[in-house]
Amino acid sequence: AQSVTQLDSQVPVFEEAPVELRCNYSSSVSVYLFWYVQYPNQGLQLLLKYLSGSTLVKGINGFEAEFNKSQTSFHLRKPSVHISDTAEYFCAVSETSYDKVIFGPGTSLSVIP
Amino acid sequence: EAGVVQSPRYKIIEKKQPVAFWCNPISGHNTLYWYRQNLGQGPELLIRYENEEAVDDSQLPKDRFSAERLKGVDSTLKIQPAELGDSAVYLCASSLEGTDPNTEAFFGQGTRLTVV
Repeated sequence: AQSVTQLDSQVPVFEEAPVELRCNYSSSVSVYLFWYVQYPNQGLQLLLKYLSGSTLVKGINGFEAEFNKSQTSFHLRKPSVHISDTAEYFCAVSETSYDKVIFGPGTSLSVIP
Repeated sequence: EAGVVQSPRYKIIEKKQPVAFWCNPISGHNTLYWYRQNLGQGPELLIRYENEEAVDDSQLPKDRFSAERLKGVDSTLKIQPAELGDSAVYLCASSLEGTDPNTEAFFGQGTRLTVV
């Protein structure tokens, strides 16, 4: 069965510093991978997704993620964070299609002025 | 274009009482999802509709939860009777095609349920 681990429940970072949010998954087959962001009192918004092809995926708001099959990881990065990036970030995986997406527990990113 | 609309945004009820949540998906989206998000956790799928048909309700606690999407547009999720452990945020999402990962699911703001 597939599962998602987000190693850090909370990540504080100073404004304009780089950040990496870690995500590891377990699956015995090929997967689709997603990162979602949830701002306070809002629904989830898709940041980026990996379906196939290039392992470096660029998303909205300056975020990017790299798929590493050998390490079963899909870490999210941003070279310089802003206050507005403060939110909850969810990594998700699907083995088949969009109807079987499994979400990780989330990482709370706090950007400190 | 309006996004996914959910109501109410917040609901506080006593245990053993019934409660209902409403969702209006994005116009033209055939697939509708209901998720439950417990505090500090990621969303978990409860049920997925393709038009008016529930194609995956394996995670829906059928003893107390029910859902409907009668005309293949808006949907209602009901809990009767509610238990303390049902306190969570209930998210609705919709997409053009549920089985195609190239499409995106759009989420509503959710309904935060507190059972006291």
